[in-house]
Amino acid sequence: KNEVEQSPQNLTAQEGEFITINCSYSVGISALHWLQQHPGGGIVSLFMLSSGKKKHGRLIATINIQEKHSSLHITASHPRDSAVYICAAQAINTGTASKLTFGTGTRLQVTL
Amino acid sequence: GAVVSQHPSRVICKSGTSVKIECRSLDFQATTMFWYRQFPKKSLMLMATSNEGSKATYEQGVEKDKFLINHASLTLSTLTVTSAHPEDSSFYICSARRAGGALNTEAFFGQGTRLTVV
Repeated sequence: KNEVEQSPQNLTAQEGEFITINCSYSVGISALHWLQQHPGGGIVSLFMLSSGKKKHGRLIATINIQEKHSSLHITASHPRDSAVYICAAQAINTGTASKLTFGTGTRLQVTL
Repeated sequence: GAVVSQHPSRVICKSGTSVKIECRSLDFQATTMFWYRQFPKKSLMLMATSNEGSKATYEQGVEKDKFLINHASLTLSTLTVTSAHPEDSSFYICSARRAGGALNTEAFFGQGTRLTVV
């Protein structure tokens, strides 16, 4: 079992739909990252959170530390949101910058 | 947000040659940079952690003599794939954390390098 599990693996939505991507982790973490990877490969950091909720534009990320679960929501989805969304758990620091453990990603396709 | 520039974005090389990939933090200093490898439709795999002014820390199973990492300054880390073989063909991506801040800081990623060894 992977330390970081994402669901769904693939998701197709119509423009305008509300989208939720889930991430569960089994290790203790200091932070949870949500990343976006476009077809060209480049990765953009969307959120880093350790508690509660963060919002940026149409994107919302939440985390429940007790349940070891995080969600990424996209409101009013658009074709340009099509990408792979990756959650990554940041290990509790042991003295140096701590490592990230990545989920396998959710491939999102938003159609017109 | 902070910018990490990775170069080249694509490279094709002949088997047996070496390829150097650069990762630069353009507007911040990074004491630590991370090098990842990604196979098609797979998650990122950490190869090594690069610390400025010291030897890199390699993950289990990653050959340090094969993948040479140098982090000579607070803004530049390089990954050299030595004596490349077709099985080294992959997508390589770096990330950097700011120096001097809390250890639990946001990660900034380069654009990645697609290496094809023929």
